[in-house]
Amino acid sequence: NAGVTQTPKFQVLKTGQSMTLQCAQDMNHNSMYWYRQDPGMGLRLIYYSASEGTTDKGEVPNGYNVSRLNKREFSLRLESAAPSQTSVYFCASSDRTSTDTQYFGPGTRLTVL
Amino acid sequence: EDQVTQSPEALRLQEGESSSLNCSYTVSGLRGLFWYRQDPGKGPEFLFTLYSAGEEKEKERLKATLTKKESFLHITAPKPEDSATYLCAVAGNNRKLIWGLGTSLAVNP
Repeated sequence: NAGVTQTPKFQVLKTGQSMTLQCAQDMNHNSMYWYRQDPGMGLRLIYYSASEGTTDKGEVPNGYNVSRLNKREFSLRLESAAPSQTSVYFCASSDRTSTDTQYFGPGTRLTVL
Repeated sequence: EDQVTQSPEALRLQEGESSSLNCSYTVSGLRGLFWYRQDPGKGPEFLFTLYSAGEEKEKERLKATLTKKESFLHITAPKPEDSATYLCAVAGNNRKLIWGLGTSLAVNP
């Protein structure tokens, strides 16, 4: 049981480049989430998916897109990376809603130059 | 406005020196209060969920308690391996999870 997995672990991009962060969970959870964590800002929700086929904006969605590929996988795409998107990105999942316990992946450390 | 405040921001203890971390919250209709542990370079690791005032949960040297306004994470006789950042999050009736900024705990041998 791997829980929540994320790839890649580290990534360096140049301004304007695009990339997709991958996330998968094997707990048969319905809801999945993407967060970013910055010093002094705490965890901030970017997008979430309450079920397969649905996605909704969180607190800081600008500059990001998401895809809930199937029940297991939830990807985060940066179309044109900016230095302000330098951060650590975490994927999480929960059984049903955001009031259920969320389980986190190991994170992706992204640097945009 | 829903809000979560954790204190202190940082805490340094000697091994064996018990203490408590605080999570104060304001939320409309508490649906759950969550404690996580985060080690440097890793994702948050779930510790406890508390649902109603008066509830307590324990795991090894950690004990979480909940009142109508705050939660405490009590650490009894801590060891160096308890060093980490401890995060608190609260979910209310709007079903949004509000995160605190965390308490960074260092336990010296």
